[in-house]
Amino acid sequence: ETGVTQTPRHLVMGMTNKKSLKCEQHLGHNAMYWYKQSAKKPLELMFVYSLEERVENNSVPSRFSPECPNSSHLFLHLHTLQPEDSALYLCASSQEGRNTEAFFGQGTRLTVV
Amino acid sequence: AQSVTQLDSHVSVSEGTPVLLRCNYSSSYSPSLFWYVQHPNKGLQLLLKYTSAATLVKGINGFEAEFKKSETSFHLTKPSAHMSDAAEYFCVVPRGDSSYKLIFGSGTRLLVRP
Repeated sequence: ETGVTQTPRHLVMGMTNKKSLKCEQHLGHNAMYWYKQSAKKPLELMFVYSLEERVENNSVPSRFSPECPNSSHLFLHLHTLQPEDSALYLCASSQEGRNTEAFFGQGTRLTVV
Repeated sequence: AQSVTQLDSHVSVSEGTPVLLRCNYSSSYSPSLFWYVQHPNKGLQLLLKYTSAATLVKGINGFEAEFKKSETSFHLTKPSAHMSDAAEYFCVVPRGDSSYKLIFGSGTRLLVRP
C-alpha cells in the first residue's frame, strides 16, 4: 500500500462509452499525475496538477479529460476512446519541490473494445 | 538536461546469485536519482533514492545502489536474487526544474531462474 489508491483496477469499455478513472492520495501531497503505460513503450506522462491547477499537459488527445477537485483527488474522464488507448493508467503523487520522488497507485488496466 | 540510460533491457540470473542492473545518468549538476520496481500489472514502487547524503544507498528487499560521479553511474545490486525479485526495474532522475517531471529509463526486465 503506497497511499495512492486507484479505482477501478480493471475496466473494459466500448469506443462509444464514457467512463472515469479515480485516484485518491492519502499522503498530504500537493501534486498529482496521470501516466500511461503501453506495452513495449516508455512510460508517458499525460497530465500534472500542482496545487489543484494543471501545470502540464503533454499533447494528450481531448478524449482524455482530467479533473482535480482538490489536492487529494484526481480523475481522468474518458470518452470515445480508441483501441490503441488500451493501456495501464497510473496515478502518482508527490510533494511540491525539486527532486522529490513520486508515489504510484496500482494502476487501472483499461481495455477498449 | 537530465537523462538516464539503462544499459540492459533484460537481465537473467539464477536464484541465489547476485543481481546487477546498470544505469548511467547525464546531468548538469549532482542530481537526485531513484530506482523503482514494477511487478506485473502493478504500479511502480520506490526501491531506493539517492539525494547526495551518502553515495551508497540501501533500499527495500535487500537492494542497494551506489552513486559514482566519476562514472556517472547508479547501478542497482543485490547479493542474492530471489524468485520474487522478477519484475521490471526503472532508473529515474527528476527533470530538476520547477515542473516536478520525472525522467524514466527504458526499464530492465529481471528474470530469475529457479
